[in-house]
Amino acid sequence: SAVISQKPSRDICQRGTSLTIQCQVDSQVTMMFWYRQQPGQSLTLIATANQGSEATYESGFVIDKFPISRPNLTFSTLTVSNMSPEDSSIYLCSVAGRLADTDTQYFGPGTRLTVL
Amino acid sequence: QKEVEQNSGPLSVPEGAIASLNCTYSDRGSQSFFWYRQYSGKSPELIMFIYSNGDKEDGRFTAQLNKASQYVSLLIRDSQPSDSATYLCAVMEGYNFNKFYFGSGTKLNVKP
Repeated sequence: SAVISQKPSRDICQRGTSLTIQCQVDSQVTMMFWYRQQPGQSLTLIATANQGSEATYESGFVIDKFPISRPNLTFSTLTVSNMSPEDSSIYLCSVAGRLADTDTQYFGPGTRLTVL
Repeated sequence: QKEVEQNSGPLSVPEGAIASLNCTYSDRGSQSFFWYRQYSGKSPELIMFIYSNGDKEDGRFTAQLNKASQYVSLLIRDSQPSDSATYLCAVMEGYNFNKFYFGSGTKLNVKP
């Protein structure tokens, strides 16, 4: 399996500020995704982080609000901009592809964000 | 919008029993199916994946896939209180890992 780390693991932020979440994988992966999971809810895909090009955003998510970088095959960042309390959620990085000779998807430990 | 449906539960089973979790999906072209376990406050943890019709066993877990009926299930034998969690079903679109669709999850309670 792939080992995925995220920083920070949690944060409490003020309304109107921005937070950048980092995702690091221990091996090169083709696909990286960013999800959001609000309390008691399932996973919502925010975007696919594309290496060397702009991320592909899902309906309801825009680049100005959630800018994403992916400079190489092992690292990505998600920024939550101009935060409001509605952005309070768990943000999850995931990777997918052929990992350890298995086609699958794994998740990072998540970043718990609280916006006051 | 492709859909993945799960009963939200909670599903309660006594310790030692078999827990049966079901998932249906709308896209007949889906090829790969995944089960994740998620403990409260933790990220999803991959339990099993299945690509072919039939059963796939891994320890106490068995995944069952029926593409004709468009359902996938997860059986947990000899259920333990530590199995109490939310179980998420995911369906991969196509073959290239471009997108995954997740169900809303089934909460399982295993009572000692």
